[in-house]
Amino acid sequence: QQQVKQSPQSLIVQKGGIPIINCAYENTAFDYFPWYQQFPGKGPALLIAIRPDVSEKKEGRFTISFNKSAKQFSLHIMDSQPGDSATYFCAARDTGNQFYFGTGTSLTVIP
Amino acid sequence: NAGVTQTPKFQVLKTGQSMTLQCAQDMNHEYMSWYRQDPGMGLRLIHYSVGAGITDQGEVPNGYNVSRSTTEDFPLRLLSAAPSQTSVYFCASGKRAYGYTFGSGTRLTVV
Repeated sequence: QQQVKQSPQSLIVQKGGIPIINCAYENTAFDYFPWYQQFPGKGPALLIAIRPDVSEKKEGRFTISFNKSAKQFSLHIMDSQPGDSATYFCAARDTGNQFYFGTGTSLTVIP
Repeated sequence: NAGVTQTPKFQVLKTGQSMTLQCAQDMNHEYMSWYRQDPGMGLRLIHYSVGAGITDQGEVPNGYNVSRSTTEDFPLRLLSAAPSQTSVYFCASGKRAYGYTFGSGTRLTVV
């Protein structure tokens, strides 16, 4: 079964909007939660990551919000740009350093 | 510093043929993994390694073999290709404290 559930499957926003992508997990042993960005024809690239002892992390226009009690985390993209159009994957790491990925969200930012 | 290098980038196989997908990293990462990416299913773990000489199965190992004789190399072998193995294959490597670095992928079609 899917260890990390991601929604929505696709998202369209206007330039300057704030797309939000959500992920949920069940395994409380997960200890590291990265987000990856993937452009067509390329491999996923690490964007930002958070550990469960922190509720929020910001890097530039990208913010992760983490709710440990609800076992949910989300990615917010501030002031989104057409160049942010890509597929985004959330992931969670288990104690064996293996990553489980969500099914991905295709983001389109309209100029 | 090349990162994670995958070869070939594209491959077409006939059903029943075997082949090896190559993966090499030059970052001295102890962890290496193979994923396959299919539409709507995200990235699924095939096999992984926590160091030279140590490998283990992931979520979808059937039909694939791996070995890790050196820290740098982690080849993936398809034993007898089937159309269900048509996919994009990604190799990734990393250290315990951080997320993975992905290669650019191998696009495999089995006819």
